[in-house]
Amino acid sequence: SQTIHQWPATLVQPVGSPLSLECTVEGTSNPNLYWYRQAAGRGLQLLFYSVGIGQISSEVPQNLSASRPQDRQFILSSKKLLLSDSGFYLCAWSRLAQNTGELFFGEGSRLTVL
Amino acid sequence: GQNIDQPTEMTATEGAIVQINCTYQTSGFNGLFWYQQHAGEAPTFLSYNVLDGLEEKGRFSSFLSRSKGYSYLLLKELQMKDSASYLCAVTDSNYQLIWGAGTKLIIKP
Repeated sequence: SQTIHQWPATLVQPVGSPLSLECTVEGTSNPNLYWYRQAAGRGLQLLFYSVGIGQISSEVPQNLSASRPQDRQFILSSKKLLLSDSGFYLCAWSRLAQNTGELFFGEGSRLTVL
Repeated sequence: GQNIDQPTEMTATEGAIVQINCTYQTSGFNGLFWYQQHAGEAPTFLSYNVLDGLEEKGRFSSFLSRSKGYSYLLLKELQMKDSASYLCAVTDSNYQLIWGAGTKLIIKP
């Protein structure tokens, strides 16, 4: 069976510090991978998606970046966090491209920037 | 612009039925999803509609009318564990997934 795991689950970081969130998928190959951010009272915001190793599409210009060094690994990074980066970050994968299939989400990472 | 509208919060009684509505205005349509999200957890898939009509899955059913830009999620025989947020999302003509802000459902005994 397929599983998705992301970490850390929670973190508190000072403004200007770096960030690294990791996500791995097991039990499937060549998944479509996504990073979302969820702010309170708002819909999920797509940050990045990837259809293959080294292929990253950015949906929102910001101080965040993503990388896919291996087929089933997706990393969200920042060199300098802003207060506005606080939120609930979700990694997800899907079998089907073009958002026509179910998304499977990781457990989520709650980031608080102080 | 693209927009998904759903009520912010609803309250229902254990054992009852509740209908959560979702209306959308998007550039084209390639399917509508419903997800359930318990507080502090990740969303989990409930249903997918691409054709008009009702899809039933146990206690949960989802309805779609493409001509009206409208969907609803129907929950029967409500249980306390159904207390959660319910997210509506639409795939548009560019295959972008547009998310609603979610409806927080509170179940009272």
